[in-house]
Amino acid sequence: EPEVTQTPSHQVTQMGQEVILRCVPISNHLYFYWYRQILGQKVEFLVSFYNNEISEKSEIFDDQFSVERPDGSNFTLKIRSTKLEDSAMYFCASTGLTGGPADTQYFGPGTRLTVL
Amino acid sequence: GENVEQHPSTLSVQEGDSAVIKCTYSDSASNYFPWYKQELGKRPQLIIDIRSNVGEKKDQRIAVTLNKTAKHFSLHITETQPEDSAVYFCAASKAAGFQKLVFGTGTRLLVSP
Repeated sequence: EPEVTQTPSHQVTQMGQEVILRCVPISNHLYFYWYRQILGQKVEFLVSFYNNEISEKSEIFDDQFSVERPDGSNFTLKIRSTKLEDSAMYFCASTGLTGGPADTQYFGPGTRLTVL
Repeated sequence: GENVEQHPSTLSVQEGDSAVIKCTYSDSASNYFPWYKQELGKRPQLIIDIRSNVGEKKDQRIAVTLNKTAKHFSLHITETQPEDSAVYFCAASKAAGFQKLVFGTGTRLLVSP
């Protein structure tokens, strides 16, 4: 069964540094999402992306965050200047052709970001 | 915006017992309600979902019920097994187009042998 993949599995960075988290969605999916989960808390929506543009973003997704689909397979989340409170597990997800609620969101294994 | 409340936060049962987790949502426009199971350090995985035109859905030992009027939905696990131990998240999503999932706060289920 196809799966969403993410790299790296764990990223440690110094406060103020830039990080790029990478995701490879399922190959025929067109809708992509980033979520984050602070340790012990719920999963929170960050941003959704379709047709090379952001469809929706949450209040967490401020100017320090950006997303990109640099080629036909990768989907990236960039944090320009990391803060301690950015430490969390970041999940990428993708859905199929219609993008409506009938489509299951498949989650990647996550990238654990630790900001020191 | 949508807000999803989930109870209880922890649930301990003996193997073979049933477990029930309840969620309420605030936005009447939500019409898709998935349940995800997350094992420690792993990704959330969909276990069952329900759409608002259906009141109940069952898949082997798990079932989900939806009450649109009261805006709440529940996960029922029967004949629990130790491998059911995990954190369970409910979520809600709106009807049309390309919609995010809004998650509940999670329920840690512990099934003791």
